[in-house]
Amino acid sequence: EAQVTQNPRYLITVTGKKLTVTCSQNMNHEYMSWYRQDPGLGLRQIYYSMNVEVTDKGDVPEGYKVSRKEKRNFPLILESPSPNQTSLYFCASSDQKNSNQPQHFGDGTRLSIL
Amino acid sequence: AQSVTQPDIHITVSEGASLELRCNYSYGATPYLFWYVQSPGQGLQLLLKYFSGDTLVQGIKGFEAEFKRSQSSFNLRKPSVHWSDAAEYFCAVGYNNNDMRFGAGTRLTVKP
Repeated sequence: EAQVTQNPRYLITVTGKKLTVTCSQNMNHEYMSWYRQDPGLGLRQIYYSMNVEVTDKGDVPEGYKVSRKEKRNFPLILESPSPNQTSLYFCASSDQKNSNQPQHFGDGTRLSIL
Repeated sequence: AQSVTQPDIHITVSEGASLELRCNYSYGATPYLFWYVQSPGQGLQLLLKYFSGDTLVQGIKGFEAEFKRSQSSFNLRKPSVHWSDAAEYFCAVGYNNNDMRFGAGTRLTVKP
């Protein structure tokens, strides 16, 4: 089954404790991206990647890092999480090298930073 | 600045009634247009998309949307709403510079 898998689905942690949210897709997609969803703001792009070893900042990259060492994986790293990063996060992928194609979304990761 | 506006934060309709969700965007050229639906606890699922050609596009679950260049709009419609359509709906716009913008979303409640 074609899917985008995020882990964990839920996480409560404390300020400053490094965390990683994993994202994996099994569709051989080139394009992957991370969004955060906040009430009243819709989805805002954090980072995206057009291919292996190619990543770019989205609208709200501050406080986040990503890597794309393999085509299928695109982890989101919070080196020193802060409460304002409490949010619902989505990973997405598409089979083109740009964002102008329908994206497949994971089920989301709800992060709470205390 | 490129932006996507969904003017209605929350809409309530009766089951069987028609539905129209509004979406406006700012862009000089023709963008790539999408509507996604998000059920509680789920990711976003694509309902339909518009890239070019016929300005009335059909999607899944009986939804359709019409691109109106003169109004910079891409409104989503359904002639008869079902209780299972209750969800949050997002309009998204893809621009030629790899930028993808989402609206703030419209939450749909369906009354019995």
